[in-house]
Amino acid sequence: GQNIDQPTEMTATEGAIVQINCTYQTSGFNGLFWYQQHAGEAPTFLSYNVLDGLEEKGRFSSFLSRSKGYSYLLLKELQMKDSASYLCAVNDYKLSFGAGTTVTVRA
Amino acid sequence: NAGVTQTPKFRILKIGQSMTLQCTQDMNHNYMYWYRQDPGMGLKLIYYSVGAGITDKGEVPNGYNVSRSTTEDFPLRLELAAPSQTSVYFCASSPRTGGNQPQHFGDGTRLSIL
Repeated sequence: GQNIDQPTEMTATEGAIVQINCTYQTSGFNGLFWYQQHAGEAPTFLSYNVLDGLEEKGRFSSFLSRSKGYSYLLLKELQMKDSASYLCAVNDYKLSFGAGTTVTVRA
Repeated sequence: NAGVTQTPKFRILKIGQSMTLQCTQDMNHNYMYWYRQDPGMGLKLIYYSVGAGITDKGEVPNGYNVSRSTTEDFPLRLELAAPSQTSVYFCASSPRTGGNQPQHFGDGTRLSIL
């Protein structure tokens, strides 16, 4: 089975940095995705990691450690529009999603 | 670019009624998926398809049926609607599974069973 854990909620101030952790225990592993989902909207792709290390994409970075079953999504220079739910999903030839972390950015 | 299109966007059903949620993609993707998302929960896979004529069960298939007669279309059928099926339903597609190919999601169908 698949077990994917992420914190339920996080709050941060505009301009700050927030790190969203994701731990997983899955029967197989073929990469890990992060998606962003604004309230009432569809999830949209943010990042993908399959090898250990850090992937950077502008203000967003994602890290993976396969031996520890651990990933994080780092959001830098937070903006109000970053208020959303962030979903960690492990690819085992089918995607298994965590429950999502709701990030609230305060002015 | 239309991407993944779902209809309807909203629907209210009575218990025991049936309906079909439509999903169409214009990206020529082989893989298509149906998820449900309950409040505060992650996406749960209902059914998926790896190509026309091929479907398989996901994590929560009970109460649902699917078909895949063409590459473009992947409808989801609810035969006897139950209150437990009140949810937001997302259809998604990808070129293949595995690797760095993300799934592309439709805007969702918000379904209430009363």
